[in-house]
Amino acid sequence: GESVGLHLPTLSVQEGDNSIINCAYSNSASDYFIWYKQESGKGPQFIIDIRSNMDKRQGQRVTVLLNKTVKHLSLQIAATQPGDSAVYFCAENPLNTGTASKLTFGTGTRLQVTL
Amino acid sequence: DAGVTQSPTHLIKTRGQQVTLRCSPISGHKSVSWYQQVLGQGPQFIFQYYEKEERGRGNFPDRFSARQFPNYSSELNVNALLLGDSALYLCASSLFRGTDTQYFGPGTRLTVL
Repeated sequence: GESVGLHLPTLSVQEGDNSIINCAYSNSASDYFIWYKQESGKGPQFIIDIRSNMDKRQGQRVTVLLNKTVKHLSLQIAATQPGDSAVYFCAENPLNTGTASKLTFGTGTRLQVTL
Repeated sequence: DAGVTQSPTHLIKTRGQQVTLRCSPISGHKSVSWYQQVLGQGPQFIFQYYEKEERGRGNFPDRFSARQFPNYSSELNVNALLLGDSALYLCASSLFRGTDTQYFGPGTRLTVL
């Protein structure tokens, strides 16, 4: 079936540098995309979301970019900190699920912040 | 405000047993969704409930069932447990049933021996 996938399973970044986590999705029938951060032993934590009528959305130290032409989503973290170390998931909510919020997650990218 | 809460935190069962997991949504949220997360993978959608009715179901066998109560809390039941049911079970709540932001609880770690 169609799924959300990630290019890099592990990303190592030096503290203070910017991080870019990428995600490729295959289901073009998607209206809503979300990035979650999951620390060990915890549930996914909402970071930022974007709808398909937008190309870019900014939050505090984070920016999500959506390229619908190539079905690509990215999460940019500015001035990466040790507390950013976690697994990051992109998730999509396809339009064809009707009224249900049926998120489809990728396998995740582990971000390791080195000092 | 309290976030999504789940109980128990950890659970150990043996094959063939039945288990019930509980979830309380964020106050004011009317929708609850359940996800299964196997180690090393992303969460997989199991169910969504809104206003006490099932609104969506993922590709899981009939051994999995759920319900939502008038106070919007929810229970996930799994019968005839298999070793492969060992996972982190996550509950997420949202305001409505559409493309709303889902906020996750800490999960229940189920181990089936």
